[in-house]
Amino acid sequence: KAGVTQTPRYLIKTRGQQVTLSCSPISGHRSVSWYQQTPGQGLQFLFEYFSETQRNKGNFPGRFSGRQFSNSRSEMNVSTLELGDSALYLCASSLAGGLAVGGYGYTFGSGTRLTVV
Amino acid sequence: EDKVVQSPLSLVVHEGDTVTLNCSYEVTNFRSLLWYKQEKKAPTFLFMLTSSGIEKKSGRLSSILDKKELFSILNITATQTGDSAVYLCAATEIYNQGGKLIFGQGTELSVKP
Repeated sequence: KAGVTQTPRYLIKTRGQQVTLSCSPISGHRSVSWYQQTPGQGLQFLFEYFSETQRNKGNFPGRFSGRQFSNSRSEMNVSTLELGDSALYLCASSLAGGLAVGGYGYTFGSGTRLTVV
Repeated sequence: EDKVVQSPLSLVVHEGDTVTLNCSYEVTNFRSLLWYKQEKKAPTFLFMLTSSGIEKKSGRLSSILDKKELFSILNITATQTGDSAVYLCAATEIYNQGGKLIFGQGTELSVKP
């Protein structure tokens, strides 16, 4: 089965612009989470969506937002880009998210490398 | 504050060596402990541990969780150059009917021929 697909793979944006990243989860998976990876902070949780509802949000400013569509595809948006937003943005797909009994693993996409100049 | 700490942060070994990577965690509403291998982009899933004391194995890799002492180890025997990567440990925290992964800093493993 197809894995988690993130588009685009690379992006270069200018400070102040906004950007939208896309994630298509594994077929049948309803939970999509987003993570930011930087050399200094490592992997940090942004938010989780399940059945078009945001269940959890990490400690990021309101400039970071997201949504999930009825087909489970998700988008995240960053407005008013800052240099510090340069990072690898990873999307993780899961059958039901962490609540499922016994837990389900999370499968990651290859990420979108965002560079803000 | 919830946290996951990995050690060592980096490790250089030679092919054939055995390595042990450590992960300790302090996470409220803990559900599971996951190990990932990251080479270029996407972290690839290795193990998910939910029960204490039960070793999971996959080829030369094995892992175990101790929920009393709040740590996990990942062992790699007979290392190969292809094992060179960053190994990430993550704890699943459950809340608001959902969950999130709290990652450690990663252990960068370099296997020399």
